Amino acid sequence: EPEVTQTPSHQVTQMGQEVILRCVPISNHLYFYWYRQILGQKVEFLVSFYNNEISEKSEIFDDQFSVERPDGSNFTLKIRSTKLEDSAMYFCASTAYRDSPLHFGNGTRLTVT
Amino acid sequence: DAKTTQPTSMDCAEGRAANLPCNHSTISGNEYVYWYRQIHSQGPQYIIHGLKNNETNEMASLIITEDRKSSTLILPHATLRDTAVYYCIVAPNTDKLIFGTGTRLQVFP
Repeated sequence: EPEVTQTPSHQVTQMGQEVILRCVPISNHLYFYWYRQILGQKVEFLVSFYNNEISEKSEIFDDQFSVERPDGSNFTLKIRSTKLEDSAMYFCASTAYRDSPLHFGNGTRLTVT
Repeated sequence: DAKTTQPTSMDCAEGRAANLPCNHSTISGNEYVYWYRQIHSQGPQYIIHGLKNNETNEMASLIITEDRKSSTLILPHATLRDTAVYYCIVAPNTDKLIFGTGTRLQVFP
């Protein structure tokens, strides 16, 4: 069964550094998402992306965050200047249609020191 | 904020049916009921969803009350691998799912 894959599985970075989290969505999917989960807390929506533009974003997704689909297969989340509070699991998800189930990757654990 | 209410935790014996309730008394007519689960720290996994009618797939059954104000997810024969946090979410589509705290289901031998 096709899967959403995320790399790296664990990323350690220093505060203030830029980090790029990578995702390969399922190949025929058109809608892409990023969620995050701070340890012990809820899964939180960050952003949705369709037709090469952001469809919706949450309050968390401020100017420090950006998303890009640089080619036909990858979907990236960039954090420009990481803060300690950005430490979390970041999950990418994709779906073929707006009302179809989301398929999530297994996440990237980001640790900011 | 999540528009659903779920028990914090539940236990179930292996091989028995696990019935996970969810209240969504403010659900709108165009909103679906989605169920996802999260095993340990893995990504959420889709289980099932429905609008009005009861639904069944290879993983579970979803029973939605006639007034749509509550639903129950049924895992017919729970196994140890079903130990997870189960999330009930109501939304018109999957554009922006709001996850609550879910129900932590512990399946014991």
